[in-house]
Amino acid sequence: AQSVTQPDIHITVSEGASLELRCNYSYGATPYLFWYVQSPGQGLQLLLKYFSGDTLVQGIKGFEAEFKRSQSSFNLRKPSVHWSDAAEYFCAVRGGGADGLTFGKGTHLIIQP
Amino acid sequence: KAGVTQTPRYLIKTRGQQVTLSCSPISGHRSVSWYQQTPGQGLQFLFEYFSETQRNKGNFPGRFSGRQFSNSRSEMNVSTLELGDSALYLCASRLGGLAGDSYEQYFGPGTRLTVT
Repeated sequence: AQSVTQPDIHITVSEGASLELRCNYSYGATPYLFWYVQSPGQGLQLLLKYFSGDTLVQGIKGFEAEFKRSQSSFNLRKPSVHWSDAAEYFCAVRGGGADGLTFGKGTHLIIQP
Repeated sequence: KAGVTQTPRYLIKTRGQQVTLSCSPISGHRSVSWYQQTPGQGLQFLFEYFSETQRNKGNFPGRFSGRQFSNSRSEMNVSTLELGDSALYLCASRLGGLAGDSYEQYFGPGTRLTVT
């Protein structure tokens, strides 16, 4: 069965600084990988996805992520964060079957002024 | 295009009661999945429906059930509610179907269920 690890429960970043959120997955083949963001009281919004091809994928709101097969990682990055980026970020994986998404526990992003 | 809608948004029930939650997918989406989100367990997959058929089910007791209608709208039902069922229940839709499905799921705002 697939699994996802987000090693950082909380991350604090100053506004304007760069950001990297880590995600490691466990799955036998090439998985479908996703990053979602959740603001308080809201559902999940899809930031970006990776299925195949170029390992650097661009998403919405200035986010990008890089798939590294050798490290089983799919880290999320943003060059300059804004106060509105404060939220919970979830990495998710889906295998090849009909299973639903498997989510990591999430990383809570705090933005310092 | 309208997003995924869920009703009701908030619900308070008593232990032992049952509850039905509703989800309307994005127009044209034929697959609907349900997830439970709690502080302790995080986001967990409940089940997925496509063309009125349950395709897969997560590791939840039989008290959790669902169905999908011919217009792709879906409901989930929880019977004999327990305190531990208090959670945010999220519905997600995707195109579904044959090869070429990107598996992109779009989530609704969720239904916050509180069991007292």
